[in-house]
Amino acid sequence: GAVVSQHPSRVICKSGTSVKIECRSLDFQATTMFWYRQFPKQSLMLMATSNEGSKATYEQGVEKDKFLINHASLTLSTLTVTSAHPEDSSFYICSARDRLAGLIETQYFGPGTRLLVL
Amino acid sequence: GENVEQHPSTLSVQEGDSAVIKCTYSDSASNYFPWYKQELGKRPQLIIDIRSNVGEKKDQRIAVTLNKTAKHFSLHITETQPEDSAVYFCAAKGTYKYIFGTGTRLKVLA
Repeated sequence: GAVVSQHPSRVICKSGTSVKIECRSLDFQATTMFWYRQFPKQSLMLMATSNEGSKATYEQGVEKDKFLINHASLTLSTLTVTSAHPEDSSFYICSARDRLAGLIETQYFGPGTRLLVL
Repeated sequence: GENVEQHPSTLSVQEGDSAVIKCTYSDSASNYFPWYKQELGKRPQLIIDIRSNVGEKKDQRIAVTLNKTAKHFSLHITETQPEDSAVYFCAAKGTYKYIFGTGTRLKVLA
């Protein structure tokens, strides 16, 4: 149980294009999903919290117009990197918390998406 | 702001020895402390967690201790094996989000 998938696992794109990354909770519903960015040999940095049916909450320093988040259902959140540039190249990981988990705080991570912008 | 410090950044131990990784958090409202293991290019995997109302938790070779007064928590791995080699992250959950430590690269030498 508690499986989170991400698609695509790897994407290479040209500078200026937009890239959409999907995060799905496969066997549970998630009212909240989290998007992280991880640079090589560094920690996970929270970019934004995705809330089902409402606007995402962005962390300080994260451009909401550049990193568009949509959480249209209880099992799907998408992150769109708009007008991607080489500095956006990174490993993007989502996580989700089971809506029915109650006091259990565990977040389950997706496998990550490696983005390379040329 | 909220911060989690993690030490050491790298740790090499001989197979069979113990490994200890320490974290310190700043947000006194933090109430949940998970530890994740991440292998190269893969997702973080939860290995153990502890809530603020518990001082210690053990699961086979892995244990976590929490000192709320000092805002410290530690991961202890005993009888280390080569497959324990990975990057380990601590995290502290405050009001709604996790703050991750900077990671510890553990290398278990055979």
